[in-house]
Amino acid sequence: DAGVIQSPRHEVTEMGQEVTLRCKPISGHDYLFWYRQTMMRGLELLIYFNNNVPIDDSGMPEDRFSAKMPNASFSTLKIQPSEPRDSAVYFCASSPGTGNPGELFFGEGSRLTVL
Amino acid sequence: QQQVKQSPQSLIVQKGGIPIINCAYENTAFDYFPWYQQFPGKGPALLIAIRPDVSEKKEGRFTISFNKSAKQFSLHIMDSQPGDSATYFCAASYSGNTPLVFGKGTRLSVIA
Repeated sequence: DAGVIQSPRHEVTEMGQEVTLRCKPISGHDYLFWYRQTMMRGLELLIYFNNNVPIDDSGMPEDRFSAKMPNASFSTLKIQPSEPRDSAVYFCASSPGTGNPGELFFGEGSRLTVL
Repeated sequence: QQQVKQSPQSLIVQKGGIPIINCAYENTAFDYFPWYQQFPGKGPALLIAIRPDVSEKKEGRFTISFNKSAKQFSLHIMDSQPGDSATYFCAASYSGNTPLVFGKGTRLSVIA
């Protein structure tokens, strides 16, 4: 069981550049979540999908952020253009949708630094 | 979106001590209260969870105490060890697969 796989693990970019973060959820999981973690705000939900369909994107901070899930095994979070305040650790998590509701399986995160 | 308030922000205890982390929630519809543990450089992982039909749940050295009337729940770590040093998040959600709402986290350091 490979778990949730995120890439890249670290990204350093300059303000104004496009950033794309990638996630491969656990096979068979119906739910996929994108969270952002900062010291000030903790873990914030950005968007989540059920069966590849976006359900709630109210946590996406601005139109600069977009997320897609073209199939059950892949999702992207894109920031265009990036700004220094976007610097954070971005986590992808998946959930089986049965059993313990709310049991999330997190990836190891993508640490983004925008200079 | 801050519907779960967690305290303290950081905590230092000696090995063998019993750190206690507290959380308070606002939404009375919440019916699932997990705790997640996060080590540096890793994603959070489920540690223990409770539903409001019980007042306490114990798994190994970790115990959740739940007070429905006060809308509070807490995590106790018995006989804490340096390996327990991590950030702990409380969370809450309600029926179905609604997303978890997380507290801001508590950074625990257990010193030998």
